[in-house]
Amino acid sequence: DTAVSQTPKYLVTQMGNDKSIKCEQNLGHDTMYWYKQDSKKFLKIMFSYNNKELIINETVPNRFSPKSPDKAHLNLHINSLELGDSAVYFCASSPPVGWQFFGPGTRLTVL
Amino acid sequence: AQTVTQSQPEMSVQEAETVTLSCTYDTSESNYYLFWYKQPPSRQMILVIRQEAYKQQNATENRFSVNFQKAAKSFSLKISDSQLGDTAMYFCAFGLGSSGTYKYIFGTGTRLKVLA
Repeated sequence: DTAVSQTPKYLVTQMGNDKSIKCEQNLGHDTMYWYKQDSKKFLKIMFSYNNKELIINETVPNRFSPKSPDKAHLNLHINSLELGDSAVYFCASSPPVGWQFFGPGTRLTVL
Repeated sequence: AQTVTQSQPEMSVQEAETVTLSCTYDTSESNYYLFWYKQPPSRQMILVIRQEAYKQQNATENRFSVNFQKAAKSFSLKISDSQLGDTAMYFCAFGLGSSGTYKYIFGTGTRLKVLA
């Protein structure tokens, strides 16, 4: 069984489009995260949610809007995509204290 | 500011040899967790080993062990008997906060190549 899943795994789109990435975890964790990994492999946290409530928002442009319909899901919607948004986006979840479980990542390419 | 520094962008090691990846961090907190994650070419992030800061004993997981020096804020990873499958990016990270508001900070990674 996949612990943290993301769809799609690859996303290629044009500048200016709006796209969403979905994330689901079946671990029963209350906390979920979105990370962006750039071309230099630097992993930077974007958002974290605890039990559907936004906890961390790390100076991410407001074109990025996370949505948590329930504590097992955390989706990421991106408006007006820009070239600089091209990256790998990871979803993760964690128990209250401990290590994170990561999804397989979504490679977003903006043309 | 809380930071994690991995000073070795790239390293290589011969198969079956031992290699140590360095990591230093900066925080004023006293309770936190430290982690090493591995990211192979498949890009999946895999937890290699973790260490609770309040534990003095160094964590060990099969061929992987850490040297945790809390006062020096150092957390190096030793890989013994390196295998080709160990080729990957390795990220050092620490996590801190309270339940529900836990935050993780990652280093910039070390690319390790195991040579046949």
